[in-house]
Amino acid sequence: EAGVTQFPSHSVIEKGQTVTLRCDPISGHDNLYWYRRVMGKEIKFLLHFVKESKQDESGMPNNRFLAERTGGTYSTLKVQPAELEDSGVYFCASSQDQGGRKFFGPGTRLTVL
Amino acid sequence: QKEVEQNSGPLSVPEGAIASLNCTYSDRGSQSFFWYRQYSGKSPELIMSIYSNGDKEDGRFTAQLNKASQYVSLLIRDSQPSDSATYLCAVTDGSSNTGKLIFGQGTTLQVKP
Repeated sequence: EAGVTQFPSHSVIEKGQTVTLRCDPISGHDNLYWYRRVMGKEIKFLLHFVKESKQDESGMPNNRFLAERTGGTYSTLKVQPAELEDSGVYFCASSQDQGGRKFFGPGTRLTVL
Repeated sequence: QKEVEQNSGPLSVPEGAIASLNCTYSDRGSQSFFWYRQYSGKSPELIMSIYSNGDKEDGRFTAQLNKASQYVSLLIRDSQPSDSATYLCAVTDGSSNTGKLIFGQGTTLQVKP
């Protein structure tokens, strides 16, 4: 069974540019989470989808971040325009149930110059 | 703000010894508790989950939970060099039913041959 995949693995962009990160959850997992780890800090929750619906987006830093999960399959997280403080590793996780085991993807390392 | 506290380490133990990793959390409403292992540049991997007070053993790993003290620990017996990694403590947010996790910064474990 394929795990959670994320693309790209690394992205280096300049301040002000736009970047879109993609997450493909494990097939059949309705729950999809985005997390972020900024350098030197702990992994922090960004938002949670159940199928295509946003259940909780309380962790989204500001309106420069837009997450979508059209069709309830893969998800994208767009940052527009990117700022220096957006640099970090963005993780995606999926689970069958909300309380169930969460499987994490390898993360996308975003560097904003 | 809800927090999970871990000693960042590094915790260094000789091969074959017991490694003891500790974690405290601030949210009394947290119901589920997890230990993830993360190798450098890889995704966090769930190694233990615990939901009620007491000990839970799985192979060389034992998780301990004390809700009154808001304390979670992980014991690794017969430590191996392959156990060298960062160990992340995570708890569910007690004010949310979405299963979102609050992470500690992680403890780096070094097992010396």
